[in-house]
Amino acid sequence: DSGVTQTPKHLITATGQRVTLRCSPRSGDLSVYWYQQSLDQGLQFLIQYYNGEERAKGNILERFSAQQFPDLHSELNLSSLELGDSALYFCASSVEDVTDTQYFGPGTRLTVL
Amino acid sequence: GEDVEQSLFLSVREGDSSVINCTYTDSSSTYLYWYKQEPGAGLQLLTYIFSNMDMKQDQRLTVLLNKKDKHLSLRIADTQTGDSAIYFCAERRNTGGSYIPTFGRGTSLIVHP
Repeated sequence: DSGVTQTPKHLITATGQRVTLRCSPRSGDLSVYWYQQSLDQGLQFLIQYYNGEERAKGNILERFSAQQFPDLHSELNLSSLELGDSALYFCASSVEDVTDTQYFGPGTRLTVL
Repeated sequence: GEDVEQSLFLSVREGDSSVINCTYTDSSSTYLYWYKQEPGAGLQLLTYIFSNMDMKQDQRLTVLLNKKDKHLSLRIADTQTGDSAIYFCAERRNTGGSYIPTFGRGTSLIVHP
């Protein structure tokens, strides 16, 4: 158990819909990262938040957005969903030491029908 | 950006050694990581190596780093069926001012009894 929690574990929805994925980092970790894992694209970095502020952006679509709240939990919002958005979405947190070791949550499996 | 490259599959017999190879892209990467992903789970950090090291050993795991060739390998001694998983190589890369691990596509290790 990494200490990072993600909800829900599974999500099935239809094209055009909007969903929210939730992540709670390990106690004391200020950084939260979101990743998308799919068979064709591998593990893609989406976005990083540090103590409530956006710090780095990766391959995140404009239809996707995220935020980190004062209690440090984070939400990833996916809108106007397409079939190709079906993937595993991982959240990770880190303590921001020199190694930047990341601790991953168990993931949310999103299926868009 | 350029890709971190790994072979997709490796099959070994139980008790043999496994060697998983990776080539990375950024010669200035300070940390390189190996993560393990078991079925239905998130990624778990196995080990990391700092760029001024050539080798790091941790119980059954040996990491070798060749900076000149930007080549990283993970050797698992006495491989067990419980080692069957996907192994990801990652390099710490500067992404828009923040250091984010950039992952390879992962190597599926299959251990036969």
